[in-house]
Amino acid sequence: AQKITQTQPGMFVQEKEAVTLDCTYDTSDPSYGLFWYKQPSSGEMIFLIYQGSYDQQNATEGRYSLNFQKARKSANLVISASQLGDSAMYFCAMRGLYSGGGADGLTFGKGTHLIIQP
Amino acid sequence: DTGVSQDPRHKITKRGQNVTFRCDPISEHNRLYWYRQTLGQGPEFLTYFQNEAQLEKSRLLSDRFSAERPKGSFSTLEIQRTEQGDSAMYLCASSYQDSQSSGANVLTFGAGSRLTVL
Repeated sequence: AQKITQTQPGMFVQEKEAVTLDCTYDTSDPSYGLFWYKQPSSGEMIFLIYQGSYDQQNATEGRYSLNFQKARKSANLVISASQLGDSAMYFCAMRGLYSGGGADGLTFGKGTHLIIQP
Repeated sequence: DTGVSQDPRHKITKRGQNVTFRCDPISEHNRLYWYRQTLGQGPEFLTYFQNEAQLEKSRLLSDRFSAERPKGSFSTLEIQRTEQGDSAMYLCASSYQDSQSSGANVLTFGAGSRLTVL
């Protein structure tokens, strides 16, 4: 079984500041993948960034980076230089990886509502 | 490619009625997923298909729910005898994965079908 915990229901951040969204996870799988998705008010889930448990370096995608601390089982999302368009729900998710390409569905956290203020 | 399409976007029905949602995935994607998202929660996995085969079903998928993916293209999710507790956003996602794919298996989501049961 897998579990994702996002402890920040909501956050207010000033435009252009950096923001860190917290995510901790629990799993018995030896290998796993961690994902962050953004969900604006339109409802569509937008993929942001992926980190494999076996990756040696933290993932980065443009203004997004993932602060992966395996021993602490945390996978925090860092958004640099926040913009008004970053206002949305943000979800951390994970799936176990195992031989055979099994495709367990993603397990999502409850999300963090990020509001960027001008 | 227009991404993952879902229809209808909104559905209001009376308790006890049947409803059907349709999902058209990205054409080259062989995997299709259904998720349910209730207010204030992250998406919950319901079921997934690889081509036309339904490979996994969550225990959340009661006997009133049935999903199909004939010919491995579009998929339908039917809910029979709807209950007020079925009110939620139903999200469809697709991905491509073969035996050589990495564990990332990034899912592309549609905008969802919002169901309201009165």
